[in-house]
Amino acid sequence: SQQGEEDPQALSIQEGENATMNCSYKTSINNLQWYRQNSGRGLVHLILIRSNEREKHSGRLRVTLDTSKKSSSLLITASRAADTASYFCATVVAGKSTFGDGTTLTVKP
Amino acid sequence: ETGVTQTPRHLVMGMTNKKSLKCEQHLGHNAMYWYKQSAKKPLELMFVYNFKEQTENNSVPSRFSPECPNSSHLFLHLHTLQPEDSALYLCASSQDIGPAGAKNIQYFGAGTRLSVL
Repeated sequence: SQQGEEDPQALSIQEGENATMNCSYKTSINNLQWYRQNSGRGLVHLILIRSNEREKHSGRLRVTLDTSKKSSSLLITASRAADTASYFCATVVAGKSTFGDGTTLTVKP
Repeated sequence: ETGVTQTPRHLVMGMTNKKSLKCEQHLGHNAMYWYKQSAKKPLELMFVYNFKEQTENNSVPSRFSPECPNSSHLFLHLHTLQPEDSALYLCASSQDIGPAGAKNIQYFGAGTRLSVL
């Protein structure tokens, strides 16, 4: 079954608000990555968090990882209309990446 | 620009046609991937190549035939496709395949939007 599952499936917020997306997985992982995809385009890597890390920051992005709960969250602070996209988590086990179903984020101006 | 280029960007083909998708990466990576992305379905890994050798084939129908002549180029040859094969086909590359974190970050092309009539 799917290794990474995101929720919610869709999220709609106003510009300036924070957006939080969650990813749950089933087995132990080496690392977890978050990607972004604009409509009809390829995925773009955002951030990688290793299994021995609990939190990472990159600009307005904050990722947490809780290996005991087998879950990760992506927080986008002070969202902008340009953040509108689909966001995917990818779990990496023995070098193999498995992508989740994604969360579609809409940021209204 | 991600350093991974896919051509063509759009392709319409009949069920009896033969066509090929091309992917080229300028990142010096050793691993390349083909994915299929259909509406309302998760990203499906099709094939993985590492150092030109196929390391994974996820039970893909034989009407899809990959070719990796070198580490920089990857092709997907298509023949006698079905309408349900219509999708966005994404190519990606990574430095390597292995548990070490940054080496398996994938860089994606913009994709080929395929429509099978």
